[in-house]
Amino acid sequence: DQQVKQNSPSLSVQEGRISILNCDYTNSMFDYFLWYKKYPAEGPTFLISISSIKDKNEDGRFTVFLNKSAKHLSLHIVPSQPGDSAVYFCAASEDGGKLIFGQGTELSVKP
Amino acid sequence: ETGVTQSPTHLIKTRGQQVTLRCSSQSGHNTVSWYQQALGQGPQFIFQYYREEENGRGNFPPRFSGLQFPNYSSELNVNALELDDSALYLCASSLAPQGSYEQYFGPGTRLTVT
Repeated sequence: DQQVKQNSPSLSVQEGRISILNCDYTNSMFDYFLWYKKYPAEGPTFLISISSIKDKNEDGRFTVFLNKSAKHLSLHIVPSQPGDSAVYFCAASEDGGKLIFGQGTELSVKP
Repeated sequence: ETGVTQSPTHLIKTRGQQVTLRCSSQSGHNTVSWYQQALGQGPQFIFQYYREEENGRGNFPPRFSGLQFPNYSSELNVNALELDDSALYLCASSLAPQGSYEQYFGPGTRLTVT
C-alpha cells in the first residue's frame, strides 16, 4: 500500500517558468512533509518542509503548499533554472520517525 | 560542519555472502536512519538508531541488522545476500528521533549482488 504517491514520473518545463510538482498521501496521521532533490550518484538533498499545522511554507524560489482536506501537497519552483533538473521526492513523517517517500518525479528544465 | 559520509561507495558481492556498510552522521546529530532505494523507486525505510538502540524498523527481514556506536556512527549488516538486495543504501542523520523531522542523507553505497 503506497501511502505517498507522486503520480507524474516526469515533468518538463522551460527555463524561467514555474515548475509544479505534486504529491498525494493517504495517511491522515502524517504530521510533517518534506521535499528532497536528488542528482544521479548523490544522496537526496533536503529542500523544504512543512508542518501539518501550516498550509504554506516559502524559502526563496521554493514554496510548498499543503491541502490537508485533499491530502495533497505541491512544490512550486519559480523561476525554474536548468540547475533544478533532478529527481524530486516528497516524503511524509509521523511523529518524527521514519520518512515515507513517494516514487519521485524527474524534472527537466530546458534552456 | 561535516556532512553525512558513507563507505564504501560501491560494492559487489555474491549471493549468500554477508556485507557491512558504514555511515558517519553529520556533526551534532544523534540519530541515524537507513534506507534502501531500488532503481526507479523512492527510498524505503529499513530502521532507525537512537542512543545505540533500534528505534523503529520497516518491513525488512531480520537478516538486515544494524549497530550505532557511542560517536553516533552506524553500520548496516546484511546476511545471506539475495539478488533483490541490489540497491542504493542510504544513511540519514537527524538531531533526534522526534522534534526534528529533517533527515540529512549521505551519498549512498551502491550494492550489487551477483
